[in-house]
Amino acid sequence: GDSVTQMEGPVTLSEEAFLTINCTYTATGYPSLFWYVQYPGEGLQLLLKATKADDKGSNKGFEATYRKETTSFHLEKGSVQVSDSAVYFCALSDQTARAGNNRKLIWGLGTSLAVNP
Amino acid sequence: DGGITQSPKYLFRKEGQNVTLSCEQNLNHDAMYWYRQDPGQGLRLIYYSQIVNDFQKGDIAEGYSVSREKKESFPLTVTSAQKNPTAFYLCASSIMVRGGGNQPQHFGDGTRLSIL
Repeated sequence: GDSVTQMEGPVTLSEEAFLTINCTYTATGYPSLFWYVQYPGEGLQLLLKATKADDKGSNKGFEATYRKETTSFHLEKGSVQVSDSAVYFCALSDQTARAGNNRKLIWGLGTSLAVNP
Repeated sequence: DGGITQSPKYLFRKEGQNVTLSCEQNLNHDAMYWYRQDPGQGLRLIYYSQIVNDFQKGDIAEGYSVSREKKESFPLTVTSAQKNPTAFYLCASSIMVRGGGNQPQHFGDGTRLSIL
């Protein structure tokens, strides 16, 4: 079945450092790809998404490009802030499995990011 | 502002007791979901519903039950049959697309359930 693999955390960076969180996937067909962020004690928020190969999703300074040739969707940010400290989840929409009419979301295990001042 | 409200934020259960977690949304979404999150793990789907009075089991439905009497509400009951209920529970919703859509999900802030 489809799966998502994220780099293990925790990732610890100093403020203004460059961030990369790796995400690779295996999937049948052409899934949509998502990054969600979870701040301490809260639910998940959609950070960005990409729906087809070579699409770049971006939001709040974060970017990720849908690379079909490498089956990757790495999250990047040029200069992190303390407020970016959170857990980041990569997810894909499974093209072969559904939760009702919508595609089922397959989740990575999450990568914890801590940014120090 | 539209959103998803989960209550309570913290919940404690005694052995052999059923507890119900509330989830209400005012986003006018048809589809609603319950996930369980354990430390260091991704999200696992418990139940989902795409229409009032209809719901389906997800990957880990054993020991849980749900109802969908109103479009806005999708409560989850953790029964005494769930042997390891301590976890963080997340409710989500999304618009529903017939024919299969790649819809992002909107989440509440979660309920943390602990066993006394």
